[in-house]
Amino acid sequence: SQQGEEDPQALSIQEGENATMNCSYKTSINNLQWYRQNSGRGLVHLILIRSNEREKHSGRLRVTLDTSKKSSSLLITASRAADTASYFCATDDGYSTLTFGKGTMLLVSP
Amino acid sequence: NAGVTQTPKFQVLKTGQSMTLQCAQDMNHEYMSWYRQDPGMGLRLIHYSVGAGITDQGEVPNGYNVSRSTTEDFPLRLLSAAPSQTSVYFCASIGTEAFFGQGTRLTVV
Repeated sequence: SQQGEEDPQALSIQEGENATMNCSYKTSINNLQWYRQNSGRGLVHLILIRSNEREKHSGRLRVTLDTSKKSSSLLITASRAADTASYFCATDDGYSTLTFGKGTMLLVSP
Repeated sequence: NAGVTQTPKFQVLKTGQSMTLQCAQDMNHEYMSWYRQDPGMGLRLIHYSVGAGITDQGEVPNGYNVSRSTTEDFPLRLLSAAPSQTSVYFCASIGTEAFFGQGTRLTVV
């Protein structure tokens, strides 16, 4: 079964607003990653946070990880219409491969 | 560098036909995986490989075969296509992060 579950399933905001997506997972992880998928395209890696890290930044992205709650959040600040995409969290248990959640569809309106 | 090359981009099969989806990577990654993506289901793991000669089943392996004779190539075979295999398929090559192919949109009629 899938490891990660993103919340919400869909999010609609205006340009300039912040977007927050959450991910919950079930088992111990080595790291957690966030990916973006534009319609009809392959997934693109955004950011990785290791199990011993609590927060990480990359440009307008901020990721937090709470291993005690088995949850992570992705914050996109000052959203742009070009941020419209689906966002997936993926967990790496360090043994096999990545397990993805069902994703959050983000719509940023001009 | 090409990264991950996945072919074909589109394919229509009749029920019962077989085909092979090709995937090649030039990053010397040991880990490669095949996923299928269906509406509302996210990405589900079909098969994966942790190195040449080593493969294992993922969440939804039935109806699919894989082999890994070289580090670069990881083809996915549909043995006898069924309408339930209509989906978008992605190959991934995994180092610290995953690099995805552009996907194959497969329709089985």
